[in-house]
Parts: sequence; C-alpha cells; structure tokens
Amino acid sequence: KNEVEQSPQNLTAQEGEFITINCSYSVGISALHWLQQHPGGGIVSLFMLSSGKKKHGRLIATINIQEKHSSLHITASHPRDSAVYICAVSNYNTDKLIFGTGTRLQVFP
Amino acid sequence: DAGVIQSPRHEVTEMGQEVTLRCKPISGHNSLFWYRQTMMRGLELLIYFNNNVPIDDSGMPEDRFSAKMPNASFSTLKIQPSEPRDSAVYFCASTKGQGTEAFFGQGTRLTVV
Repeated sequence: KNEVEQSPQNLTAQEGEFITINCSYSVGISALHWLQQHPGGGIVSLFMLSSGKKKHGRLIATINIQEKHSSLHITASHPRDSAVYICAVSNYNTDKLIFGTGTRLQVFP
Repeated sequence: DAGVIQSPRHEVTEMGQEVTLRCKPISGHNSLFWYRQTMMRGLELLIYFNNNVPIDDSGMPEDRFSAKMPNASFSTLKIQPSEPRDSAVYFCASTKGQGTEAFFGQGTRLTVV
C-alpha cells in the first residue's frame, strides 16, 4: 500500500464546476504539500499546510490531521486548471517528500 | 530570485554515454533534492543534500548514478554509463529546511537511445 494515496486518478469537468481531489496518507508528517504540473511542464507548489485550511484565489486546501486526510478544492473551474495535481507529504525527521500518484484533471469549456 | 535553475532542459544521448545534469538552488536554501519522474513510477526521490552534505541517497538506483554538491549554489547528477531505462524527467528542488515549501526546477527531460 502506498504511503500517500490520491483519488480520483483521473477527473474531467465542465468549466465552472466545483472540483475536489482527495489525499490520504499513512505516515507521520510535518507538512502536506499540493503541487501542480501542467503537461510537459515543471512542478509548482500550490500549498503547504500542517493544519486547518488555506485559500489562494479559487483554490482551497484543507487538512484533517486526526484522519490523515487532505482535500484540494477548485471553485469555478477553468480549462487552464487542466493539469496533474500531486499530493506530497514531508516526513517528520527529514524534509524529503513522499508523493502520491497524482490526479489528472481536464476541464472542458 | 530566478528560482531553481536546471540545465539542460532536454538531453538526448546514446546508451553508454555519460550524462551530467545540473542544478542551481535558490539562494539561501540549504536543502537540495534530486527527483526522477517516470510514467511507471511517478516521482521518486533519488538523493538529498542538507548544507551540501548528502543525507539520504537510498533512492539512487545503482552505482551508475552519482551526485555531488560542491557548494551551496550548485549540484550535479551524473549517470555513467547511461541506459535506455534511465529515460525520465529529472527534477531538482530546494527548500529552506525542514517543514518549508519546496521549489522545483523546470526539470531535465533525458532520453537515452
């Protein structure tokens, strides 16, 4: 079993829809990261959080430490949101990242 | 700051050749990571340095891979000899330290033919 699990693996949406991507982890963490990767592109950090909720524009990330679960929400989705979204966790003792397998999102106009 | 800078962006080489990938971390960051991304295995840590010292190289596939960080502003990942199965995108990332945000370079897409 992977230490970081994401769901769904693939997601398609119509422009304007509300999107949720989920991440569960089984290890102790110091922080959880949400990353974005556009096709053929680099990796961009969207959020790093260790408790509660963070918001940036149309993106919202939440984490429940007790349940070892995080969600990434996109409100009013847009075709430019089409990308792979990767959940990763930082280990307690080091700051190396353990990655989920990613969620491929396609938003159609 | 220009962010994490990797070079080259693309590399095509023949099997058996030596390949060197380069990374310049963000100034002031003291941790540097080399990750590899493939379709089959996703993102995997190869090695990471803290204050220029290798801390964990357990992800380095085999002796053909080596990494150095001679100073705080430069790191290399070398593959010698290269094999087709090394074809992947190699990312370098840096952080200020434990529990801080990771910044990634644009990656080097390596193709070994």
